[in-house]
Amino acid sequence: QKEVEQNSGPLSVPEGAIASLNCTYSDRGSQSFFWYRQYSGKSPELIMSIYSNGDKEDGRFTAQLNKASQYVSLLIRDSQPSDSATYLCALSSGNTGKLIFGQGTTLQVKP
Amino acid sequence: NAGVTQTPKFQVLKTGQSMTLQCAQDMNHNSMYWYRQDPGMGLRLIYYSASEGTTDKGEVPNGYNVSRLNKREFSLRLESAAPSQTSVYFCATIQGSSISNQPQHFGDGTRLSIL
Repeated sequence: QKEVEQNSGPLSVPEGAIASLNCTYSDRGSQSFFWYRQYSGKSPELIMSIYSNGDKEDGRFTAQLNKASQYVSLLIRDSQPSDSATYLCALSSGNTGKLIFGQGTTLQVKP
Repeated sequence: NAGVTQTPKFQVLKTGQSMTLQCAQDMNHNSMYWYRQDPGMGLRLIYYSASEGTTDKGEVPNGYNVSRLNKREFSLRLESAAPSQTSVYFCATIQGSSISNQPQHFGDGTRLSIL
């Protein structure tokens, strides 16, 4: 079992819709969770971080964490074509700052 | 990306050649990391350095060596390149040296092809 699992997609949504991206993980000791966006040929860019159970909102983005069920999700409201990218779920545990990444979910937002 | 500079941006090597990938940061961050990204596999940690003079192995260290000579620079060396090392390599940094809740800042990457 992979430590961090994401559906590779592609996930296709129409412009203006809500995109829902999911991630499950196996290490119950994981403490910090991150969502990175990566455009083709570019480096990962942090869009959300979450550390405690519940929801965290930042503009059109909402991260949700459920440690009991070991999943973290990202909701993108009012999706725009510019949101089309690969979204990487990552987590860290311990005190080294090392990140473990999922394989990423490709999102396509169609005009 | 401002703050984390990787050189070169592109490189083509022949099997058996050696080369060093350079990473430099001007954000005064303590921790630095080297990842590789292969299609459909996300990023995998090769080596990391929590502070100047210290290095530790990550998930996929075989075939690589690293050097953290000062706070700014963290280099990754391929002693004898193999086609399996064809990948995109990213350097990343975090401000603290003992942290678990800091996001990482990534460089633009080095695209390496080994023939």
